[in-house]
Amino acid sequence: ETGVTQSPTHLIKTRGQQVTLRCSSQSGHNTVSWYQQALGQGPQFIFQYYREEENGRGNFPPRFSGLQFPNYSSELNVNALELDDSALYLCASSSGGSGQETQYFGPGTRLLVL
Amino acid sequence: QQQVKQSPQSLIVQKGGISIINCAYENTAFDYFPWYQQFPGKGPALLIAIRPDVSEKKEGRFTISFNKSAKQFSLHIMDSQPGDSATYFCAAFNNAGNMLTFGGGTRLMVKP
Repeated sequence: ETGVTQSPTHLIKTRGQQVTLRCSSQSGHNTVSWYQQALGQGPQFIFQYYREEENGRGNFPPRFSGLQFPNYSSELNVNALELDDSALYLCASSSGGSGQETQYFGPGTRLLVL
Repeated sequence: QQQVKQSPQSLIVQKGGISIINCAYENTAFDYFPWYQQFPGKGPALLIAIRPDVSEKKEGRFTISFNKSAKQFSLHIMDSQPGDSATYFCAAFNNAGNMLTFGGGTRLMVKP
């Protein structure tokens, strides 16, 4: 196990609703990255937080937003949910604020939007 | 847009055989290439990684071959075991955007 935890494990929402996903990083890590993994596809980078600041963002609309807390845990918020937002959401923790360090992934939160 | 193309999508290998997964990229700004292994119900885990100034890296049964001029890299799993059955992802890191781009994945099944 990586020591990265995510909650909840599963979630069902309806279109138009808002959702908040949570991630606790591994002890000693100050960087959290979030990814969306659609069924049968590779993870897609959403954004990264380093020391409570956004440190890089992928090609996702502004309704995907995030937050990192002083203890380096993180939240992913998605507003105005769409059917295509159904996916596994992964967070990964690392140290140093660069994608070149080893990223340790949590087990993910599976979101279903109906 | 898929900047890292991975093939094959699925692969069946006999126990003891060699599994080969290939990836190609377009963006010459990529400067770090990790491979991840993902088991069902788990997040991806780093397997092995390479930088473009090296043509080959070996760790145990896992070897990455890197061809910078062709913008291709591959993962070789020697003496494949049933426990290697998982989905494998290649990835590439772009320092400018500080983002990791994953390939589409290869589902490997090693038959006993």
